[in-house]
Amino acid sequence: TQLLEQSPQFLSIQEGENLTVYCNSSSVFSSLQWYRQEPGEGPVLLVTVVTGGEVKKLKRLTFQFGDARKDSSLHITAAQTGDTGLYLCAGVHNFNKFYFGSGTKLNVKP
Amino acid sequence: DADVTQTPRNRITKTGKRIMLECSQTKGHDRMYWYRQDPGLGLRLIYYSFDVKDINKGEISDGYSVSRQAQAKFSLSLESAIPNQTALYFCATSGRGPGGNEQFFGPGTRLTVL
Repeated sequence: TQLLEQSPQFLSIQEGENLTVYCNSSSVFSSLQWYRQEPGEGPVLLVTVVTGGEVKKLKRLTFQFGDARKDSSLHITAAQTGDTGLYLCAGVHNFNKFYFGSGTKLNVKP
Repeated sequence: DADVTQTPRNRITKTGKRIMLECSQTKGHDRMYWYRQDPGLGLRLIYYSFDVKDINKGEISDGYSVSRQAQAKFSLSLESAIPNQTALYFCATSGRGPGGNEQFFGPGTRLTVL
């Protein structure tokens, strides 16, 4: 059983559309991270959220950490083909132990 | 040059063989991790090490062992490989301190056990 559940598992959308990816758990985390992974490469950190209720924006990407620090969401506005990739959330316990979700595979079509 | 390197990048081996995957880093980080990635399962932690004398089991350590030869080197061994160990393996590092929990990943090793 995964400690972190991500949904949806797959997402295929047209360029210009908006989307939201969810990351849910019954555990409380000291922080939560979002990574993006491209084929043939390792994941790369996009953002870390630490405070319950925190919202961070990275250009067209908006990340939110749930008030109870158990869940998070990633919202992409006006998706571009360059956003295509695997998005992984990772819950962090005690700032040094990482639990990854199963990932959301995003395909943005031109 | 890449900060975290893994060798080999691809390996095909047979059931029962011993195999070692190596990881080196130039980031000066104390903490190193080994993960495996399977489709639909994300990344699962195999072992982690917070310094040269520290080794800890992760979620799925059975069938694996590790060695931290130096601050910069962390190797993963499969003593007797089996087909369900076919996966993509990633090494990662992280530092300490307020910004220290970002993980930096290597490019991965694709392992196939026949």
